[in-house]
Amino acid sequence: EDQVTQSPEALRLQEGESSSLNCSYTVSGLRGLFWYRQDPGKGPEFLFTLYSAGEEKEKERLKATLTKKESFLHITAPKPEDSATYLCAVGGGGAQKLVFGQGTRLTINP
Amino acid sequence: NAGVTQTPKFQVLKTGQSMTLQCAQDMNHEYMSWYRQDPGMGLRLIHYSVGAGITDQGEVPNGYNVSRSTTEDFPLRLLSAAPSQTSVYFCASSYRESQPQHFGDGTRLSIL
Repeated sequence: EDQVTQSPEALRLQEGESSSLNCSYTVSGLRGLFWYRQDPGKGPEFLFTLYSAGEEKEKERLKATLTKKESFLHITAPKPEDSATYLCAVGGGGAQKLVFGQGTRLTINP
Repeated sequence: NAGVTQTPKFQVLKTGQSMTLQCAQDMNHEYMSWYRQDPGMGLRLIHYSVGAGITDQGEVPNGYNVSRSTTEDFPLRLLSAAPSQTSVYFCASSYRESQPQHFGDGTRLSIL
């Protein structure tokens, strides 16, 4: 059974304080690992897709990396507008069947 | 470009009532899905469709029905609402398999 575990559940940082969010996964045949951002009252917004171990992608202050067992979302010098819940999902038996983690709620204090 | 549109945004039902949650996308995506999001449970797949006329069950399909008569629309039907179906429901679509899914802003459903 495909499983995704995200840690920590919640993270509070000061503006400019860099950190990383973790997504550990077990899947039978990875067909993509996806990172989403979700703001309160909104649907998840796509950030990155990673397909193979060693792959990295960047967007502004965010950088996602992938190994065979986990993915990290690195946040460099975050700003208050980066506050959101970050969701990780894996596509296993058919990428349409995404399995989501419970998310990490990130708060950036000014 | 509207993306994925869900209606209604909020709904309150009584136990035993039925209703349909609407989902429409204007991106000509073949793949569409329905998820529910509950506190501490993450997003869970209810039903999905790989194209018009083709649907399949996800992780938590009981109590829900879907059909896909057009590429654009993918309605979710609650047959007889139960309090356990109180949740936030999200519809998503993607161009093809292994492509990222685009989500609507959800329907917040309360069953009394």
